[in-house]
Amino acid sequence: KQEVTQIPAALSVPEGENLVLNCSFTDSAIYNLQWFRQDPGKGLTSLLLIQSSQREQTSGRLNASLDKSSGRSTLYIAASQPGDSATYLCAAQTGANNLFFGTGTRLTVIP
Amino acid sequence: DGGITQSPKYLFRKEGQNVTLSCEQNLNHDAMYWYRQDPGQGLRLIYYSQIVNDFQKGDIAEGYSVSREKKESFPLTVTSAQKNPTAFYLCASSWTVANYGYTFGSGTRLTVV
Repeated sequence: KQEVTQIPAALSVPEGENLVLNCSFTDSAIYNLQWFRQDPGKGLTSLLLIQSSQREQTSGRLNASLDKSSGRSTLYIAASQPGDSATYLCAAQTGANNLFFGTGTRLTVIP
Repeated sequence: DGGITQSPKYLFRKEGQNVTLSCEQNLNHDAMYWYRQDPGQGLRLIYYSQIVNDFQKGDIAEGYSVSREKKESFPLTVTSAQKNPTAFYLCASSWTVANYGYTFGSGTRLTVV
């Protein structure tokens, strides 16, 4: 069964810093890797979706990479802002109905 | 705007009661899902449905029931058989082709009082 791990569980950085969030998965046979943002008490907002044939996706200050062979994905956030404070979840999809989540990284950007 | 609507946002249940959480989507997605989220744990799949009038158990289906009478709607009933129902419940939808990712609703927080 696919296992998804996110390290660190929590991260605090000063405003303006660039940062990287890590996600690892045990089964490289994935359809895609999706990064979500979750604010406290809220639902999940999709940030980036990387198809299995792709190496990276970019949206604004966010860049996500995928290395299937090593079972790793990273989410790079440039020039962090206090509004980026949230929990970031990665999820690996291995089938039409099989989406496996990590437990998330809680990011705090300090003004 | 297309999206997923979950209601209510907060729900309180007395011991022994059944409660139903609503999930509606206007994305024309075929598949819909219910997840449960507990503090410190990843999301766990309760039930999913790929087409109308069909649904399958996920990893933690005991104490829950669902129906899929319309493509747009996938309500979840938390029955009295669910011993620890206090949690955050998230509904999601997707195309059945597994390349386009999932869209999530805003969640319902259920508390047993």
